[in-house]
Amino acid sequence: EDQVTQSPEALRLQEGESSSLNCSYTVSGLRGLFWYRQDPGKGPEFLFTLYSAGEEKEKERLKATLTKKESFLHITAPKPEDSATYLCAVPQGGSEKLVFGKGTKLTVNP
Amino acid sequence: DGGITQSPKYLFRKEGQNVTLSCEQNLNHDAMYWYRQDPGQGLRLIYYSQIVNDFQKGDIAEGYSVSREKKESFPLTVTSAQKNPTAFYLCASRGLGSGAKNIQYFGAGTRLSVL
Repeated sequence: EDQVTQSPEALRLQEGESSSLNCSYTVSGLRGLFWYRQDPGKGPEFLFTLYSAGEEKEKERLKATLTKKESFLHITAPKPEDSATYLCAVPQGGSEKLVFGKGTKLTVNP
Repeated sequence: DGGITQSPKYLFRKEGQNVTLSCEQNLNHDAMYWYRQDPGQGLRLIYYSQIVNDFQKGDIAEGYSVSREKKESFPLTVTSAQKNPTAFYLCASRGLGSGAKNIQYFGAGTRLSVL
């Protein structure tokens, strides 16, 4: 069964304290891995998609990387406005469905 | 502005009542999706549609129904058969074809509560 596991469930950082979020997956025939940001009471906002091992994408303080078994979302010198839940998802093998992890809730304190 | 519009933002359902959640997109996307989000759980797929007048059940379709009469619209009805409807409902859409890159874009969500 295709699965996506995100860790940690919650992460508290001080402003400027860099860290990484993890997304491990098991899926047959990876057709992309997606990162979303979700603010409370809002819909997920697309951040990145990665398609092959070794690929990296960057946006402001965020950098996503991909290996054959997991992806990392690195947050460099975070600010309080980076506080959100970060979701990871992969397409289920051979179908239209996206399998989502439960998310990592990031809190950045000033 | 192009995007996905969900309405209403908040909805209350009485016992035995059917309620319909609206989802409209002006992105010219072919595929549309409905997800349910509960605290501590990942998004779960309710229904999806890749083309007008056609749709498929997702993982938790029981107690829900959909229609796709227009490309832009994919309403979700939560029927009285859904015994635990309280959740955050998200609509998404995706362009098809090699340029679309499989990316699903989401609306702002509808929070449904039971009175």
